[in-house]
Amino acid sequence: NAGVTQTPKFRILKIGQSMTLQCTQDMNHNYMYWYRQDPGMGLKLIYYSVGAGITDKGEVPNGYNVSRSTTEDFPLRLELAAPSQTSVYFCASKTGNTGELFFGEGSRLTVL
Amino acid sequence: AQTVTQSQPEMSVQEAETVTLSCTYDTSESDYYLFWYKQPPSRQMILVIRQEAYKQQNATENRFSVNFQKAAKSFSLKISDSQLGDAAMYFCAYRRLYTGNQFYFGTGTSLTVIP
Repeated sequence: NAGVTQTPKFRILKIGQSMTLQCTQDMNHNYMYWYRQDPGMGLKLIYYSVGAGITDKGEVPNGYNVSRSTTEDFPLRLELAAPSQTSVYFCASKTGNTGELFFGEGSRLTVL
Repeated sequence: AQTVTQSQPEMSVQEAETVTLSCTYDTSESDYYLFWYKQPPSRQMILVIRQEAYKQQNATENRFSVNFQKAAKSFSLKISDSQLGDAAMYFCAYRRLYTGNQFYFGTGTSLTVIP
């Protein structure tokens, strides 16, 4: 009963390094999302996908890239890490019919 | 873009008492979903309750209920018989009904439960 799985849970990066946050869901959901959560700021949408091969920008896409080659996976790529990308990142998914989002446990990223 | 406002950054309640968390939103749509999510210290977001705007009846889930005032664009969460496990960050969220690919979240209310 895995749901939405994110890895890694914690990561420290140096400025300019690159990394990929992995997200996998086993619920056969079409819709997948990446959010970032900054203290006192709620959740901001980075990118989302309505199905394999389709992605779209959210509110704060700069500095990130995504791909959706399969229904299950939706990785988030940071190419040149900056301190402003220090945050907690959440992956989420939903079906087309129900209203709710199912979240992963989050990934805490620190850029020094 | 739609906005969701939670005006109470922090709230506290005595164990077994009732507390109400406030949420207002701005939209020109008539059909949409509203949600309350709970984020305990473990960080994982969990759905507490959902309300469809076209339903006049307020949603209820055990000790959790909402007061949905569509005209006022208000969506408050009432927690009855508060328990220590209710301590968490609570987020209000909005999604359009038919073209609702994006969810909009408030900034959250941190709830402390006092034993």
